[in-house]
Amino acid sequence: AQSVSQHNHHVILSEAASLELGCNYSYGGTVNLFWYVQYPGQHLQLLLKYFSGDPLVKGIKGFEAEFIKSKFSFNLRKPSVQWSDTAEYFCAVNGAGNTGKLIFGQGTTLQVKP
Amino acid sequence: GAGVSQSPRYKVAKRGQDVALRCDPISGHVSLFWYQQALGQGPEFLTYFQNEAQLDKSGLPSDRFFAERPEGSVSTLKIQRTQQEDSAVYLCASSLGWTGGNIQYFGAGTRLSVL
Repeated sequence: AQSVSQHNHHVILSEAASLELGCNYSYGGTVNLFWYVQYPGQHLQLLLKYFSGDPLVKGIKGFEAEFIKSKFSFNLRKPSVQWSDTAEYFCAVNGAGNTGKLIFGQGTTLQVKP
Repeated sequence: GAGVSQSPRYKVAKRGQDVALRCDPISGHVSLFWYQQALGQGPEFLTYFQNEAQLDKSGLPSDRFFAERPEGSVSTLKIQRTQQEDSAVYLCASSLGWTGGNIQYFGAGTRLSVL
């Protein structure tokens, strides 16, 4: 069965610090990978996605992620975080059966101190 | 509407009551998904529709959970004889196509509290 593991459950950073959130998945076939973000009081929204091609993908608000197939990883990065990045971040994967069903990690809460 | 709409936003039920949660997907979206999100966890897949056909219900935790999408648009998730462990946020998502290479758009969710 597919699974997704996010290494950091709660991250606290100061503004302008760099961010890297880890995500590993278990599935040996072709995968589609996603990072979703949930700002306080808002619904889940897509931050970025990887379907194929360039393994370095760029998303909204200066976020990027790198797909490393050999490591089954899809880590999220941002060079300089802002207070407004305070949110919960979820990594997700779909692959088996290609039905669109998403398997999510448990999420990482990011708190950015002004 | 512009996005996925879910109602009610909050539902409090007494243990043993039946509840019905509604999802109105983005117009024209073929696929509709239901997820359950427990406190402090990521969303977990419940069931999936392609138009009116329920193609995967492998995530439904028990036979007390039932979902339908009779006309291929609005969907209802029904929970019979609610239990405390059913307390969670229920998320609905829709996507334009039916394969994994489609983006899912999420609603705000229904927070169910079973007392």
